Amino acid sequence: QLQLQESGPGLVKPSETLSLTCTVSDDSISSSNYHWGWIRQPPGKGLEWIGSVYYSGSAYYNPSLKSRVTISVDTSKNQFSLKLSSVTAADTAIYYCARHARYYDRSGYYNYFDPWGQGTLVTVSS
Amino acid sequence: QSALTQPASVSGSPGQSITISCTGTSSDIGTYNLVSWYQQHPGKAPKLMIYEGSKRPSGVSDRFSGSKSGNTASLTISGLQAEDEADYYCCSYAGSSTWVFGGGTELTVL
Repeated sequence: QLQLQESGPGLVKPSETLSLTCTVSDDSISSSNYHWGWIRQPPGKGLEWIGSVYYSGSAYYNPSLKSRVTISVDTSKNQFSLKLSSVTAADTAIYYCARHARYYDRSGYYNYFDPWGQGTLVTVSS
Repeated sequence: QSALTQPASVSGSPGQSITISCTGTSSDIGTYNLVSWYQQHPGKAPKLMIYEGSKRPSGVSDRFSGSKSGNTASLTISGLQAEDEADYYCCSYAGSSTWVFGGGTELTVL
């Protein structure tokens, strides 16, 4: 069964770069029907899509974060990564990685995030 | 790109039905039938409940159903059970390879 696991520092200083990695188990990150996404959730608040990446390396981002975000993929390690630069306290959140279905067949369109990793809390503080 | 609008909270008694609305615009829900719904229990990761507006993934109870009218999508839970108490989020494709979530709705089972 597909599993995703986030990893990275739990504490980042203001103005520095947040870096997280998501390791995909029991499925290939190179599957043609799936992309791979990052979503975050500030404590006590709602979900925000950050961006997604295809195994080819093609990435797309939330316009509100685009200037600070880079999402990349390493197919040899079955991992994809998030970098968010110039962080502030507003970037404190639980960061989730998820498989992002984006395909269609005769049955219809498949466009959703599933499954999700367990999430990792990143706190921005000096 | 603004967040989709959901009621902050809804409640219902066991056995009843409740509906959670998710209002967007003609740029997202109104144009694309690509709304998904997620259930999140406290301290847990979100779980997919509905995709493409009304389709249920394997393993999701048929008590959960989705629909859309105009710029508003809805999630209905029938035969409410205690285990349904959770936060629920809608998500829609918003064009140009972007996605937007709703602010979330807290469901309380009385």
